[in-house]
Amino acid sequence: AQSVTQLDSQVPVFEEAPVELRCNYSSSVSVYLFWYVQYPNQGLQLLLKYLSGSTLVKGINGFEAEFKKSETSFHLTKPSAHMSDAAEYFCAVSTNTGNQFYFGTGTSLTVIP
Amino acid sequence: KAGVTQTPRYLIKTRGQQVTLSCSPISGHRSVSWYQQTPGQGLQFLFEYFSETQRNKGNFPGRFSGRQFSNSRSEMNVSTLELGDSALYLCASSPLAGAIYEQYFGPGTRLTVT
Repeated sequence: AQSVTQLDSQVPVFEEAPVELRCNYSSSVSVYLFWYVQYPNQGLQLLLKYLSGSTLVKGINGFEAEFKKSETSFHLTKPSAHMSDAAEYFCAVSTNTGNQFYFGTGTSLTVIP
Repeated sequence: KAGVTQTPRYLIKTRGQQVTLSCSPISGHRSVSWYQQTPGQGLQFLFEYFSETQRNKGNFPGRFSGRQFSNSRSEMNVSTLELGDSALYLCASSPLAGAIYEQYFGPGTRLTVT
């Protein structure tokens, strides 16, 4: 079975400071990896995804993530935080042999002016 | 294209009652999945429907059920509501079934059980 761990439930950063949200997964087979963002009172929106190929994936709003198979990680980063980045972020994993997505418990990003 | 719509957006029910939630996927999408979101638990997968057939089911009791219609719209039903069923229920659609396809989420239905 697959699982996802988001190590930090809350991450505060100052405006214009770099952001890193951590995600680790466990799986015995090849994985697909996703990051979603959820703004208050809204559904989830896809930020970026890794299916295959380049391990450095660029997404919307200046976010990117790097797939590190040896570390079973897929951390989300952004060079400079904006106030509008404050939201809940979810990491998710799926596999080509499974039929469902497994989500982490989420990381709440707070941006301090 | 219109996004995924869910109705109602908010619902208050009493323990023991039952509830039906509705989801209309993006036009052309044939796969619909349902998730329960609670603080601290994140998103828990309920079930997935494709072409009116349930393809996969999460670890929820039989009180949770669903169905999909020929137009891909989906409903989920929770019978004999418990306080612990209070949550945000999210519906997501994708063009086809399979874990490689991005899921497009609706805004959710917030269910409160008193």
